[in-house]
Amino acid sequence: DTGVSQDPRHKITKRGQNVTFRCDPISEHNRLYWYRQTLGQGPEFLTYFQNEAQLEKSRLLSDRFSAERPKGSFSTLEIQRTEQGDSAMYLCASSGGVYNEQFFGPGTRLTVL
Amino acid sequence: AQSVTQPDIHITVSEGASLELRCNYSYGATPYLFWYVQSPGQGLQLLLKYFSGDTLVQGIKGFEAEFKRSQSSFNLRKPSVHWSDAAEYFCAVVHGSSNTGKLIFGQGTTLQVKP
Repeated sequence: DTGVSQDPRHKITKRGQNVTFRCDPISEHNRLYWYRQTLGQGPEFLTYFQNEAQLEKSRLLSDRFSAERPKGSFSTLEIQRTEQGDSAMYLCASSGGVYNEQFFGPGTRLTVL
Repeated sequence: AQSVTQPDIHITVSEGASLELRCNYSYGATPYLFWYVQSPGQGLQLLLKYFSGDTLVQGIKGFEAEFKRSQSSFNLRKPSVHWSDAAEYFCAVVHGSSNTGKLIFGQGTTLQVKP
C-alpha cells in the first residue's frame, strides 16, 4: 500500500487552457473525494465517488469542472477554460467507509497565469 | 448550516511548552470529529478522531483531544511541543446530512515553534 498519489504535483497554465489532474486512491478503498484548498483556508469539498458513481457534487463545482472515476479505480479532475480564480491546491482523498479515516494525497498545486 | 470554527489563525509556542488548539463545531447530533495536520507542500495526515465513547481521545505524535458536547468543542492538546510540530492544523467534522462522509474543515491554525 503506497497511499494516495496525485499527478502532477504542480501545474502552471495560462488562463483559458484546459488542465487534467489524476488521483490514484488506495487500492481497496471504494470512496474517493476531491477537495480544493486555497491559501489560508481549509479544504473545501468538491465531489465524491463511490466506486465509479459520482454521487455528490458541490455547488463550488462549476460546469467547467468535470470528474470521472472509470472502473472505480483512479479518478481524473478536469478544469476547462481555466480562470485565475481556479488557482488552488487540489486534494484527493480515499476511504473504505463513510465514517472511516480519509487518506489524503499530496495534492496538485494549480497556478493559472 | 454545519460549520467548524478554529478561532486562532496563528499560534506561537516555545519548544517544550504545552499546546492547545481550539475547535468549535456547529452540528445538532453527535458529530464525527477529526484533527488533521498539514506540513508545507504536503497532504493532510490524520492525528486523531472521535466517533463515540470516551471523550478524551489519544492520537499520534503525542496529541490528544477532548470532546465537550456542552461547549461544542474538540480542542487539540499536546503537553510538550517539539520543533517538528510546526505545521498547519485542521479540525474537521463529517457532514451529517449526507451519507457521503464528506468533511467540513475549519480554516486552520498555523503553529510556529520557537527554539
